[in-house]
Amino acid sequence: AQRVTQPEKLLSVFKGAPVELKCNYSYSGSPELFWYVQYSRQRLQLLLRHISRESIKGFTADLNKGETSFHLKKPFAQEEDSAMYYCALFRVNTDKLIFGTGTRLQVFP
Amino acid sequence: NAGVTQTPKFRILKIGQSMTLQCTQDMNHNYMYWYRQDPGMGLKLIYYSVGAGITDKGEVPNGYNVSRSTTEDFPLRLELAAPSQTSVYFCASSYRGPTYEQYFGPGTRLTVT
Repeated sequence: AQRVTQPEKLLSVFKGAPVELKCNYSYSGSPELFWYVQYSRQRLQLLLRHISRESIKGFTADLNKGETSFHLKKPFAQEEDSAMYYCALFRVNTDKLIFGTGTRLQVFP
Repeated sequence: NAGVTQTPKFRILKIGQSMTLQCTQDMNHNYMYWYRQDPGMGLKLIYYSVGAGITDKGEVPNGYNVSRSTTEDFPLRLELAAPSQTSVYFCASSYRGPTYEQYFGPGTRLTVT
């Protein structure tokens, strides 16, 4: 079955430290993966998608098919990065996104 | 643009009551979705629609109904509320399918007691 796993419920770092939010997936086809973010008192919104190969707000995520991972990374965390982060997998030939359970990132000053 | 709006923000229902969660988008998006999020869990798709007049089940459709009579509106109906339906409900829309950016509403927190 297709599944998205985010093993950490909470990740706490200090400002300026590197951040890696883990996402693993199980899917037999070619995956399309996304990171969504929800800042405090704001709506859930798209952060980045793997096919775009883009860096948004200093975050990057590389699809590793061998390890079936799509970890979200940032070299130097900022306090404004504190939020809830969700990894999501698109199932090809469906109209469905599968979301992970989310990781709360806390960045301390 | 208001984006995606949901009403109400909060609601408490008694077991067996019915209600409709409203969702409206003003972006002329074709796709609309309803998700629920239980504490500590990810979002689970309840129903979705690819355009006016077309709806389909998601992962957890039981106990819910939807309709899509216009492009803008996608109401979610709970017919006989049960405690298991206590959750936060999110409506979202996207221009085309789910690989396009989904725009989310602010959510409705529903408690069934």
